[in-house]
Amino acid sequence: GAGVSQSPSNKVTEKGKDVELRCDPISGHTALYWYRQSLGQGLEFLIYFQGNSAPDKSGLPSDRFSAERTGGSVSTLTIQRTQQEDSAVYLCASSLGIGSGHKNTEAFFGQGTRLTVV
Amino acid sequence: SQQGEEDPQALSIQEGENATMNCSYKTSINNLQWYRQNSGRGLVHLILIRSNEREKHSGRLRVTLDTSKKSSSLLITASRAADTASYFCATPRGGSGGSNYKLTFGKGTLLTVNP
Repeated sequence: GAGVSQSPSNKVTEKGKDVELRCDPISGHTALYWYRQSLGQGLEFLIYFQGNSAPDKSGLPSDRFSAERTGGSVSTLTIQRTQQEDSAVYLCASSLGIGSGHKNTEAFFGQGTRLTVV
Repeated sequence: SQQGEEDPQALSIQEGENATMNCSYKTSINNLQWYRQNSGRGLVHLILIRSNEREKHSGRLRVTLDTSKKSSSLLITASRAADTASYFCATPRGGSGGSNYKLTFGKGTLLTVNP
């Protein structure tokens, strides 16, 4: 597609249930990022992929959070046993990511998934 | 810890006025980027300034970078109601072999332009 696509756009789930969030990056972008944004706050880095590998998972808040990327394209962020504090907008972004060119770091964002845990 | 910190947290102006937002960062950078976010959803890239540049223009946007002070400013001239949004600065950090990743964002400035 022309842009980064995320699904679902909204998700309401019961506390304790697992959820999967999906991100389709821009074709050809090797770098993919997941961020979380709570109401009125900045973006909290979760995880970064280069291709299918994740050199930096330092932002994942707990072991209930995991992410994978297959075929250097689609990524899924899984939250197990959701808690109310997991409620936030989850944003995915992609960038060219190859090499050290400045334009390669410019990130393109999806519209996010608004997760509400009740 | 937060790499970029925007200032002020919120700014309210009248249409036609100029809006200035500032960003401070902590570590050395290769570039600094400004993004805009409407209604708490996806961010849109506005402008990128390299560490060897001091000023850059794009339409009504003017960005400055002072690496000695580790700070940047975003100026929006002749503001419009449609400019109402949150504005974030971001810096790419880390990476081996000269590549940069982990785009780190500040908490943003909420700009309100009143008609």
